[in-house]
Amino acid sequence: QKEVEQNSGPLSVPEGAIASLNCTYSDRGSQSFFWYRQYSGKSPELIMFIYSNGDKEDGRFTAQLNKASQYVSLLIRDSQPSDSATYLCAVSSSNTGKLIFGQGTTLQVKP
Amino acid sequence: EPEVTQTPSHQVTQMGQEVILRCVPISNHLYFYWYRQILGQKVEFLVSFYNNEISEKSEIFDDQFSVERPDGSNFTLKIRSTKLEDSAMYFCASSVGVGYGYTFGSGTRLTVV
Repeated sequence: QKEVEQNSGPLSVPEGAIASLNCTYSDRGSQSFFWYRQYSGKSPELIMFIYSNGDKEDGRFTAQLNKASQYVSLLIRDSQPSDSATYLCAVSSSNTGKLIFGQGTTLQVKP
Repeated sequence: EPEVTQTPSHQVTQMGQEVILRCVPISNHLYFYWYRQILGQKVEFLVSFYNNEISEKSEIFDDQFSVERPDGSNFTLKIRSTKLEDSAMYFCASSVGVGYGYTFGSGTRLTVV
């Protein structure tokens, strides 16, 4: 059974701080890694994706991938109250594009 | 910005009835998906669809479920003989290619009573 694990939180950070969200996955054959943001009652929204080991930056967001440790993380710099949401890690190891989602980590950014 | 459109936004149905959930993917996308999310639980894969056929389906996607792309724009999920445990948010998603990430629709909340 292929699994994606996240700490459900909530993770609480003050406004302006760095939020660090972590995810581990079980399938070593996984090829693509995604972070989605989901506000309560809404659909997931793609933040960024990463394929290669290392860091990938997009604005205030940095995704980090370590395939040897089967670990993906998302850093959010200068956290804003509007970043308060559930962050979903998703992993693909299928040539159909199927994603396996983690439970999500709830982030609370306090003004 | 292009959107994936889902209708209806909320559907209430009686147990045993059939429902059809509708989706209009982004026009230049080639890969289509259905996922569901039971309240408080993970987003779960149901089925992927490419080149007018199912490319992968999950254990959840049994004979009760079917998908269809009846024309060049719509993508539907049919649930026959609904059960109470089918109550969930159903998301349609589309992608330009494998590995590019999806755009999700806003979802259909299905309530089976």
